[in-house]
Amino acid sequence: DQQVKQNSPSLSVQEGRISILNCDYTNSMFDYFLWYKKYPAEGPTFLISISSIKDKNEDGRFTVFLNKSAKHLSLHIVPSQPGDSAVYFCAASEGNQFYFGTGTSLTVIP
Amino acid sequence: DGGITQSPKYLFRKEGQNVTLSCEQNLNHDAMYWYRQDPGQGLRLIYYSQIVNDFQKGDIAEGYSVSREKKESFPLTVTSAQKNPTAFYLCASSIAGWANYEQYFGPGTRLTVT
Repeated sequence: DQQVKQNSPSLSVQEGRISILNCDYTNSMFDYFLWYKKYPAEGPTFLISISSIKDKNEDGRFTVFLNKSAKHLSLHIVPSQPGDSAVYFCAASEGNQFYFGTGTSLTVIP
Repeated sequence: DGGITQSPKYLFRKEGQNVTLSCEQNLNHDAMYWYRQDPGQGLRLIYYSQIVNDFQKGDIAEGYSVSREKKESFPLTVTSAQKNPTAFYLCASSIAGWANYEQYFGPGTRLTVT
């Protein structure tokens, strides 16, 4: 059973606008959450993370929000740029194992 | 230049043959991981290793084997027992496997078995 879910397989956004990618999880024991960005035929690259003791973490244009009561994680990209077009995976960890969502393909339209 | 290398990028094998995928890292990371990605699915953990000479099964270990004789290397063997071996395989490493550190991924190997 998928413990980390990304229910939107794809998202299109105009350049300069906000991109919001969502992620839901079922395991309340997850204590660390991450977002990865992946281009075709390449490995994912780490983008941003958040510990379960926080509800927000910001790094430049990227902000991750964590709502533990709703078991929901979101990534905001502001402003979106064409180079942000990629597949975004959210991941959660419990101890020494990571669990990944199925990914959301983001297209930023110039 | 520190990083993770996987070779080859593309690999073709006949059904019934074992094949070994290479993964090397020079990041001095203790933990290493193997994932498999299939179309429309997230990354699924095959095996992971927190330290040399130790490794643990992930969610889909059946039909796979690994070794961790050196800190830098974590090769994955896809055996003939793996029913659906055709997939994109990703190797990753992290500073430590038991703490909250991000993983660094290699470029992946696309394995096609016919």
